[in-house]
Amino acid sequence: EVQLVESGGGLVQPGGSLRLSCAASGFTFSSYEMNWVRQAPGKGLEWVSYISSSGSTIYYADSVKGRFTISRDNAKNSLYLQMNSLRAEDTAVYYCAREGELLSSFDYWGQGTLVTVSS
Amino acid sequence: QSVLTQPPSVSGAPGQRVTISCTGSSSNIGAGYDVHWYQQLPGTAPKLLIYGNSNRPSGVPDRFSGSKSGTSASLAITGLQAEDEADYYCQSYDSSLREVFGGGTKLTVL
Repeated sequence: EVQLVESGGGLVQPGGSLRLSCAASGFTFSSYEMNWVRQAPGKGLEWVSYISSSGSTIYYADSVKGRFTISRDNAKNSLYLQMNSLRAEDTAVYYCAREGELLSSFDYWGQGTLVTVSS
Repeated sequence: QSVLTQPPSVSGAPGQRVTISCTGSSSNIGAGYDVHWYQQLPGTAPKLLIYGNSNRPSGVPDRFSGSKSGTSASLAITGLQAEDEADYYCQSYDSSLREVFGGGTKLTVL
């Protein structure tokens, strides 16, 4: 069974940093592209970042470019999101999502981890 | 302001048919990129409902169907059931912005 489990969320002050993790199981993690998607409270979904299966290709949404860094450790079946210079508008539930074989749709999602940026 | 435009809400009585539209532009849906649809039940993570415009993943009832034409796509739900009450999101690829989502549509079953 495919499972994605996020962790690392919490309360952080504006300007602070946080590192999110996503532990994958039930599939060959190193074969799949991965994404981070966030959802602000009461709002819609916003794509944040993409990383290829090998980690060699990375993309970011303009809203986080230069502040967030996506990475992965295929030996540990884990995906990461390093978030620096956090702002109030980064407050959201962060989901990791697998970009699967179904025409690059996001076929599996984690349960999400809440990041709250507030003083 | 989302790149893909969806109606904020739709509603229907049990057994009825409802449709949710997703309007894009020539840089995303109109450029030929696939549209995917997700269902988000209250308090849960999104779940893939339709991929590649009109394909259902295993386990998704055939009451759900998708279509695409020009710069728009639609999700149709027939035989509406109480458990279909959820938020629905369309997603596509944009040549400038990469992955983009619609703003979401809240479906209320009356």
